[in-house]
Amino acid sequence: AQSVSQHNHHVILSEAASLELGCNYSYGGTVNLFWYVQYPGQHLQLLLKYFSGDPLVKGIKGFEAEFIKSKFSFNLRKPSVQWSDTAEYFCAVISSNTGKLIFGQGTTLQVKP
Amino acid sequence: DSGVTQTPKHLITATGQRVTLRCSPRSGDLSVYWYQQSLDQGLQFLIQYYNGEERAKGNILERFSAQQFPDLHSELNLSSLELGDSALYFCASSTSSGTDTQYFGPGTRLTVL
Repeated sequence: AQSVSQHNHHVILSEAASLELGCNYSYGGTVNLFWYVQYPGQHLQLLLKYFSGDPLVKGIKGFEAEFIKSKFSFNLRKPSVQWSDTAEYFCAVISSNTGKLIFGQGTTLQVKP
Repeated sequence: DSGVTQTPKHLITATGQRVTLRCSPRSGDLSVYWYQQSLDQGLQFLIQYYNGEERAKGNILERFSAQQFPDLHSELNLSSLELGDSALYFCASSTSSGTDTQYFGPGTRLTVL
C-alpha cells in the first residue's frame, strides 16, 4: 500500500540547533513531494515542494529539503531553528498513479528559547 | 492567507445530527479537496471534486457526502453524526485535477457531543 512515513513524532530542540526531519514514502511512478507546516491553531501552509529538477529545494523561512530518489526520501532541514518554528510538520506525497495527496503522521517540533 | 475560505470556523452539534461545511476555493482553482484531521487518524483525504464532478475518493464514510457547485464552491455534508466524527475538516484547492500543489483553508472544527 502507498504510504508516507515520518520517523520522528516529537522533536525538542534549543534555539539555533540544526533540524532534520525524516520522511520516506512508498510509491511507484512519478511523485510530487511536499512539506507543510501547521502552526498552533492554524491551517496547513506550504513550506516547500519538489516536482522535478534540482533535488535540493529551498522553501520559505530558511527551510530546505533534499529528494533522494534511490532512498525514497524527502528529508526537511533547517540549519538554525528559532522559537517561532514551533509547529507540526507534515510530509506529503502525491503520485501520478493515484492523484491523491497522502500525508505522513506529522512531527511536532518544539523549540525552546 | 491561502485564499481558500471555509465556514463555519467552529461547529458544535449533537450525535445523530447533520451538518454542512462550506468551502470556497482560491480564485481560478477548479479542484476542491476535503480532508479530516483527528488525533488518532492524522490527516486523511476524503474526497476530491474537479469542475463540478467527483474525481477521487478516499476514506470517506457513506454518511458523508460532498458536492461542488457551478460557482466552484463546495459543501461537505456529514449526517448521523457520531462522537468519533469530531475533528478538524480542511478544504484545499488546486488549479487542476492532477498533482498540483494544494492550498489549504483554515478548517472547520467540528465537535459532536
